[in-house]
Amino acid sequence: DAKTTQPNSMESNEEEPVHLPCNHSTISGTDYIHWYRQLPSQGPEYVIHGLTSNVNNRMASLAIAEDRKSSTLILHRATLRDAAVYYCILRKAGNTPLVFGKGTRLSVIA
Amino acid sequence: DVKVTQSSRYLVKRTGEKVFLECVQDMDHENMFWYRQDPGLGLRLIYFSYDVKMKEKGDIPEGYSVSREKKERFSLILESASTNQTSMYLCASSVRWWANTEAFFGQGTRLTVV
Repeated sequence: DAKTTQPNSMESNEEEPVHLPCNHSTISGTDYIHWYRQLPSQGPEYVIHGLTSNVNNRMASLAIAEDRKSSTLILHRATLRDAAVYYCILRKAGNTPLVFGKGTRLSVIA
Repeated sequence: DVKVTQSSRYLVKRTGEKVFLECVQDMDHENMFWYRQDPGLGLRLIYFSYDVKMKEKGDIPEGYSVSREKKERFSLILESASTNQTSMYLCASSVRWWANTEAFFGQGTRLTVV
């Protein structure tokens, strides 16, 4: 799987937007960009995924650079409940498992 | 709601014991996975299964085996537990990835081997 690079940690104030970056310069044309997050003492949960176009869902937005070598997960209004480790994962279309990196630990300050 | 249920949240076992970790999913998913998570090492794939009676080794299969006799159940077996298998174990399931959909994880089993 192609490699992703994320900052180890980030901090945000409550109720402000958060932009979590991910670099994936070796991404191939068939790689999807997935984001998962892991809240304390829980298993990971799916957040969002995309291929080329920006994507929105009830949890977040995913902005994908035009050359697809980077992407940004956007939480529009951070809450204390969003404090978690966020993982950016590249997946090829096909039946292969998720491979997790170290992710970004997001702290949210009240 | 999709549910992936792991049989125990916390387990304490003795060195040398045979340990069974059970995982059940209720959404008729074809794929099931076992990961372990350790501080500083992140989540690492132990084994996965694409179908009943099918299994594939992940990145760290040594010391583990798996069983999938029914579609909804995927068991992780520690043949002879050792202290270095003390970890958080996470089970996950998904439909076949052709449509590139999401995986669902259980709450995890924190296993301590003493």
